[in-house]
Amino acid sequence: EIVLTQSPDFQSVTPKEKVTITCRASQSIGSSLHWYQQKPDQSPKLLIKYASQSISGVPSRFSGSGSGTDFTLTINSLEAEDAAAYYCHQSSSLPQTFGQGTKVEIK
Amino acid sequence: EVQLVESGGGLVQPGGSLRLSCAASGFTFSSYSMNWVRQAPGKGLEWVSYISSSSSTIYYADSVKGRFTISRDNAKNSLYLQMNSLRDEDTAVYYCARVDEEDYYDSSGYYFPFDYWGQGTLVTVSS
Repeated sequence: EIVLTQSPDFQSVTPKEKVTITCRASQSIGSSLHWYQQKPDQSPKLLIKYASQSISGVPSRFSGSGSGTDFTLTINSLEAEDAAAYYCHQSSSLPQTFGQGTKVEIK
Repeated sequence: EVQLVESGGGLVQPGGSLRLSCAASGFTFSSYSMNWVRQAPGKGLEWVSYISSSSSTIYYADSVKGRFTISRDNAKNSLYLQMNSLRDEDTAVYYCARVDEEDYYDSSGYYFPFDYWGQGTLVTVSS
């Protein structure tokens, strides 16, 4: 099973600040890495697919990068509405796995 | 508009059974692979099961293999999860999730991200 380890687990950030969340895979997964945002009491929402591909309707301040085992989700100029948990997800091999999540709080 | 609506959750005793349903609308259900994903209270996401568009390929997480059965009825635009021998650790919100592309060969959808999720249905296993 591929283990995805996110860091940090929690981040408290001021609006307009830049946020960087990393996801490290226990073995190479190519670009089969996706990012989701989950706000309290809501379902997850797809933010970035295949490491760096943008999703229609997602604000351009969200971007992704990486390949192999190391991946990054960047939120440029954080807004109050971005308070949420963020999860990475690999679909490279069975079983699919998720990172443990990173909670972003607005100061 | 794509919609996924789960139902069937509730309180069940350990060892009991429950059948979850996911009603799909707004897209050609028979062309897409589907998944179940769960989230224990206050915890992260856990993939549970996958079914291809034609039902010919099915996968399960080890934690539910032999106890849960995924199925679909393309004529009714519905996805199901039969859960037997339920344990305390199965307590979670269960989401159905669609992959973001139509299957272009059987099981190709396994590799796709999840672009639409239902609102979830809570399953509580407790005596």
